[in-house]
Formats: sequence, structure tokens, C-alpha cells
Amino acid sequence: EVQLVQSGAEVKKPGESLRISCQSSGYNFANHWIGWVRQVPGKGLEWMGIIFPDDSDAFYSPSFQGQVTLSADKSINTAYLQWSSLKASDTAMYFCARRGGPGSTLDYWGQGTLVTVSS
Amino acid sequence: EVVLTQSPAILSVSPGERATLSCRASQSVNNNLAWYQQKPGQAPRLLIYGASTRATGVPARFSGSGSGTEFTLTISSLQSEDFVVYYCQQHNNWPTWTFGQGTKVEIK
Repeated sequence: EVQLVQSGAEVKKPGESLRISCQSSGYNFANHWIGWVRQVPGKGLEWMGIIFPDDSDAFYSPSFQGQVTLSADKSINTAYLQWSSLKASDTAMYFCARRGGPGSTLDYWGQGTLVTVSS
Repeated sequence: EVVLTQSPAILSVSPGERATLSCRASQSVNNNLAWYQQKPGQAPRLLIYGASTRATGVPARFSGSGSGTEFTLTISSLQSEDFVVYYCQQHNNWPTWTFGQGTKVEIK
């Protein structure tokens, strides 16, 4: 059974750094792209970017380029999303999701990680 | 960047009736259009990909159609659990995918 399990909720102050995780199981992690999606409370879904765990090739939405960093460790089937300096506007739910294969889209999703940034 | 516009923003339908949701793309995405369902407090769930292919386990009352710039998600007979939010997403312009702003289906 394919599963993506994300790390728990975080409460941070502006300017702090953060890394959240997404651990996969039930499939060949290295060979499937992992995408990240943001959802501000009460709002819609925003595409952030995607990474290929086998070689850590990553692409970012223009809106998030330079704001976050995607990484992956295929030895432990885990993808990461990190910030070097959080802002209050980063407060949101963050989802990871697996791309099913060439030509397909996001077929399995993590449960989400809520990040709250407040002074 | 491909902009997806969903309409209406809110759709009021009675249980058992048909719901028709629209998604328009600012440029052709061929048939690389997906639909997701999101229930409160949950992650999105893939319903339809490739414009018309149902994902594994999705009930037959959900169907997708369209190509190019105009797409439709139809729910043939609304059940109580279907009154939630639906998003379209284009997976054509790799790797800059985009989502629509969502349609909330509410009980009339």
C-alpha cells in the first residue's frame, strides 16, 4: 500500500528556519517525483515544486523559487521542504504528493503539515 | 503560466441531482487535466486524470470530459459525501503545474 506520512505541525517565529518531511512507503521511492502543494487556511491549492528523489533534480514554481528548498534522501525514502527564514505569510498547510508516472499527476498525498509562523 | 478558471465558485445542488463543474484553461493543456476532491481537514483526493480517466476506487458517478481549454467534471447523482470542494489541475506544462481556485458544491 502506497503511503506518504508527513511530519507534525510546527509553530515558529518569523526569521526562524524549518524543515518538514514526507516519508514514503509501499513503492519505489527513488523513481517517482514528489510534489509539494501549499494551502493557506480557507484558500485554494498552490503548486510549489517537485523533486525526483533518485538524483534530486528539482523544479520550482516561479512563485516559490528562491523562497523554499526541496530535497530528498532516497536511503530513507524521505522528501523535505525547507525554509531558511520564515515569514508570517508562510503560515499554511503543506502537502506532499507522489506523481504516478510519466504523463500522470499526483495520485497519492500525505496528510499535510500545518506550519504556523507567528511572533 | 497556465491559468485555470473554475466556475461557478459555489454550486448549489439538491441531493440526488446532477452537478456540472467547469474548468477553463488560458491556453491548451491537451487532455492533461485532473480533478481533485477535498473534504474539510483532509488532503485532496485524485478523482480524474487525463481529463476523463477515473482514478482507482473512484465511484462511477464521477466523470470528466473535455480537451484543449474547456473541461467538465460531472457528478451524476450527488451523495451526501460529495458536498465538498473540487479543484482542477493541469499536468500538461511540465514542471509548472497549476490549480484552479476551486468550486464548492453545497446543499441546495
